[in-house]
Amino acid sequence: GDSVTQMEGPVTLSEEAFLTINCTYTATGYPSLFWYVQYPGEGLQLLLKATKADDKGSNKGFEATYRKETTSFHLEKGSVQVSDSAVYFCALKRVAGANNLFFGTGTRLTVIP
Amino acid sequence: DADVTQTPRNRITKTGKRIMLECSQTKGHDRMYWYRQDPGLGLQLIYYSFDVKDINKGEISDGYSVSRQAQAKFSLSLESAIPNQTALYFCAPERTGLMNTEAFFGQGTRLTVV
Repeated sequence: GDSVTQMEGPVTLSEEAFLTINCTYTATGYPSLFWYVQYPGEGLQLLLKATKADDKGSNKGFEATYRKETTSFHLEKGSVQVSDSAVYFCALKRVAGANNLFFGTGTRLTVIP
Repeated sequence: DADVTQTPRNRITKTGKRIMLECSQTKGHDRMYWYRQDPGLGLQLIYYSFDVKDINKGEISDGYSVSRQAQAKFSLSLESAIPNQTALYFCAPERTGLMNTEAFFGQGTRLTVV
């Protein structure tokens, strides 16, 4: 069955540090991959996505590349800010059936000044 | 985006009570989903609807029911609430398209069953 495995948190970084949050997946077919972000007290917002192998999604300084050979979609940012503190979810979109998003467990990031 | 409104934002209810969580969207997306979020478990799919006449169970539908009253409205009901249904509930309408599929999440309903 489908699965998404994310790096466990919490992750605490100093401002301007480099961020990597690992995400690997197993899936039937060739799903689209997503990173969602959840700020305190809010719903999930789409951060970036990639729809096929070798695609790179990017937004707000965050990047992730769809790696079919390693079934990974790691999130990176070169220099984090305090405002990036949030919970980050990796997700795949199921190819068949409900065609729903299937989420990892989330990684809480705290950035300290 | 889909302008998603969920009501109530917070609710405390007693075991055995019936409760309805409501969701409405302004952008006319056909597909709508209900998820629940538990700490450390990510989000799990409860029910989904591809249009007004199409309702389907998700992975954790036991104890829940839904109603798609109109394209814009998709309600989730707990017929007889129990404590392990305490969670954060999200409604997510979805825009579909070959390259621009995107789900839009409401702010969530925090439900506590005591």
